[in-house]
Amino acid sequence: DAMVIQNPRYQVTQFGKPVTLSCSQTLNHNVMYWYQQKSSQAPKLLFHYYDKDFNNEADTPDNFQSRRPNTSFCFLDIRSPGLGDAAMYLCATSRDLRGLAVLAGYEQYFGPGTRLTVT
Amino acid sequence: GENVGLHLPTLSVQEGDNSIINCAYSNSASDYFIWYKQESGKGPQFIIDIRSNMDKRQGQRVTVLLNKTVKHLSLQIAATQPGDSAVYFCAENNFGNEKLTFGTGTRLTIIP
Repeated sequence: DAMVIQNPRYQVTQFGKPVTLSCSQTLNHNVMYWYQQKSSQAPKLLFHYYDKDFNNEADTPDNFQSRRPNTSFCFLDIRSPGLGDAAMYLCATSRDLRGLAVLAGYEQYFGPGTRLTVT
Repeated sequence: GENVGLHLPTLSVQEGDNSIINCAYSNSASDYFIWYKQESGKGPQFIIDIRSNMDKRQGQRVTVLLNKTVKHLSLQIAATQPGDSAVYFCAENNFGNEKLTFGTGTRLTIIP
């Protein structure tokens, strides 16, 4: 039944050691997003894919990269995690609304998140 | 109980009472608004949405009100239950833009 799946749910990495978080979806949605969420804060968009088109947010550090090998999967790579990168990382998806005759809003479906700890 | 916006991020309500969570959104051109509920350690969960051509929408125990004149959104939860304890985020969207802008969130605590 899970529609947006994130693995692992908890990840511990060492300072400076590359880490990859994964997200998969069964909704066949065209748009996939990665957010960083720190305690008691709103999710902060890092980047998103619209199909294969990658859209980076202006303030996302170069340390964060993403890959989307196919519609179902999207990865978040943190090349050299720092202590400040400890957070919950959320993946979300949205359906393709471009070209629709009726304007609609982009409801996003979130995964359960991966809690990243940096030691 | 009623939250008066970003200056009061925590709201405590007696079980069974109604709660009102407020959100001041930023973009007068936003067309679509969503309320999300986020329980501890989980991802945000869709509660209810509303388009800008509406001023009220009702779901099960929840009602969203939209006042475009003052750029204000509220979520009313009727007969609150312990399971309603969570952080609630409003989010806004422009039609044609696939990104959401999130509000700062309100932590709702239901007192048994």
